[in-house]
Amino acid sequence: GAGVSQTPSNKVTEKGKYVELRCDPISGHTALYWYRQSLGQGPEFLIYFQGTGAADDSGLPNDRFFAVRPEGSVSTLKIQRTERGDSAVYLCASSWGQGIGTGELFFGEGSRLTVL
Amino acid sequence: QKEVEQDPGPLSVPEGAIVSLNCTYSNSAFQYFMWYRQYSRKGPELLMYTYSSGNKEDGRFTAQVDKSSKYISLFIRDSQPSDSATYLCAMSANNAGNMLTFGGGTRLMVKP
Repeated sequence: GAGVSQTPSNKVTEKGKYVELRCDPISGHTALYWYRQSLGQGPEFLIYFQGTGAADDSGLPNDRFFAVRPEGSVSTLKIQRTERGDSAVYLCASSWGQGIGTGELFFGEGSRLTVL
Repeated sequence: QKEVEQDPGPLSVPEGAIVSLNCTYSNSAFQYFMWYRQYSRKGPELLMYTYSSGNKEDGRFTAQVDKSSKYISLFIRDSQPSDSATYLCAMSANNAGNMLTFGGGTRLMVKP
């Protein structure tokens, strides 16, 4: 498809388990973002990639969270030792460039993570 | 107190009504203002983008920014049932997609 693709769409896991969430951005988009949206809240920034490198990871809540984008396209968000508070929808977005004015952020449908 | 405040609703209106959605913010550095629409279990999609103060119109949608009052609005004319969604305001101090601060969203229901 032409949009941002995220898998899995739903993930239920047990506390303490390891989880990987995948994002396939729109072809050609150099910028990729991960946001987290808790129930009834707006999205909160986690990490931003420009190409292969993490240009800004200031939103990652702690060292249990890590993300990679090894070839400058697909990105994986990795969560170790999951906690119940990690339950949320993890949204991925991509854009042509970093700037809002250079192109809007296109969001995927999100990966809904539930930690039991 | 959150940087961006938005009434969660739900806001229920009859089809054809004019809808007014609003956000207030505290950070005077914000210069870029956006409205996103989010359908249930979908990702947000950009509706309107405004830089600094003023009005912007696009079809049935009008965005207003009043930086002196730290207040932004989205008006929807001739509302349709298909407008039923959650509307998120977002803003940024710089032109960077990694620096967006979102409001919590207002849920809108347009009844036929």
